[in-house]
Amino acid sequence: KAGVTQTPRYLIKTRGQQVTLSCSPISGHRSVSWYQQTPGQGLQFLFEYFSETQRNKGNFPGRFSGRQFSNSRSEMNVSTLELGDSALYLCASSLVSQGTQHFGDGTRLSIL
Amino acid sequence: QQQVKQSPQSLIVQKGGISIINCAYENTAFDYFPWYQQFPGKGPALLIAIRPDVSEKKEGRFTISFNKSAKQFSLHIMDSQPGDSATYFCAASIRLDQTGANNLFFGTGTRLTVIP
Repeated sequence: KAGVTQTPRYLIKTRGQQVTLSCSPISGHRSVSWYQQTPGQGLQFLFEYFSETQRNKGNFPGRFSGRQFSNSRSEMNVSTLELGDSALYLCASSLVSQGTQHFGDGTRLSIL
Repeated sequence: QQQVKQSPQSLIVQKGGISIINCAYENTAFDYFPWYQQFPGKGPALLIAIRPDVSEKKEGRFTISFNKSAKQFSLHIMDSQPGDSATYFCAASIRLDQTGANNLFFGTGTRLTVIP
């Protein structure tokens, strides 16, 4: 069974631009969560989608948004990029049951 | 506020030794405690997990010890190998509502280096 796939693996953007990251969950997984990983803040939860609905949201500004499609694939969008948005963005998928999240290898976003 | 506190930040162990990583939490509503292993350039991978009604869980060389009264849990890696060199994250999960939504809070990570 294929794992969680995130594209692209690397992105370089400049301040003020916007970016869209993509995540394909494990087949059959309906929940997709997004995390931001930085050396200083560690792994921080962004939001979770289930059946195309945002079910849970972390403490990030409104510039961070996401959506989920009917095939459970998810996208995350960051608008008006800031230098501090440079991070590894991880997507994780899980079945309906609690807790067991399977991560992709992330998208490394660098803001110049 | 860090929901899950993890220590040490880094750990160096000789091959064959025991690696021990500790985590502590305050929220007694947490009901699932996974450990993740992350190699450079890769996403975290679930290593082993425990629920609070169990005091210990062992899978191969990896053991979680859970102390509910002390609100602490730890990962023990027996016979540590150079291939175990990675960053380890403890986490704690809390169910938010009946929909199955839950929050997963991560510790700050421990970089383990196993010396040959």
